Amino acid sequence: DGGITQSPKYLFRKEGQNVTLSCEQNLNHDAMYWYRQDPGQGLRLIYYSQIVNDFQKGDIAEGYSVSREKKESFPLTVTSAQKNPTAFYLCASSLGRTGTQYFGPGTRLTVL
Amino acid sequence: DAKTTQPPSMDCAEGRAANLPCNHSTISGNEYVYWYRQIHSQGPQYIIHGLKNNETNEMASLIITEDRKSSTLILPHATLRDTAVYYCIVRVRVDDMRFGAGTRLTVKP
Repeated sequence: DGGITQSPKYLFRKEGQNVTLSCEQNLNHDAMYWYRQDPGQGLRLIYYSQIVNDFQKGDIAEGYSVSREKKESFPLTVTSAQKNPTAFYLCASSLGRTGTQYFGPGTRLTVL
Repeated sequence: DAKTTQPPSMDCAEGRAANLPCNHSTISGNEYVYWYRQIHSQGPQYIIHGLKNNETNEMASLIITEDRKSSTLILPHATLRDTAVYYCIVRVRVDDMRFGAGTRLTVKP
């Protein structure tokens, strides 16, 4: 089955801790994206990567970091510098810069 | 940047066609119109996209006006499983999709 997987589905962390969210795709897509969604709101872009070893900040990158060491993987780290990290995090990928984006199932992060 | 305007909510009877409108009056000539939907606590699902011509696939039809300032997503025979938030998006940059609040469609028995 081709697709995008995100793990875990639910994640809890204590305030002040860093946490890493996983995103893997086996669609052979070049571009990958991370979005954040707050209750009742649309999606906001955190980071995106068009190619391995390269990534760009989106609209709300502060307090987040990413890496793109492999084409299939684009992990997102939510650092302690992120003031309000509790949210639903969505990963997406596309074949190229203009391709249709396909989304993973999401990870719901709750800071206790 | 082109923006979209959608009604916050709509109802539709099961088995009837659901017509979801979207206004994008400032769309540029090379910008596509995309539609996604999101069922509660799941990732958005791609539905359809188009540039100028009307498009149809197994899920829906997309009707774009000749001036491209508005579009309508049509679900021909809505089912209860079509209850979701529907997003109309105009691609601003090639590398991101700007999601607004969307339209919450409720399909009723």
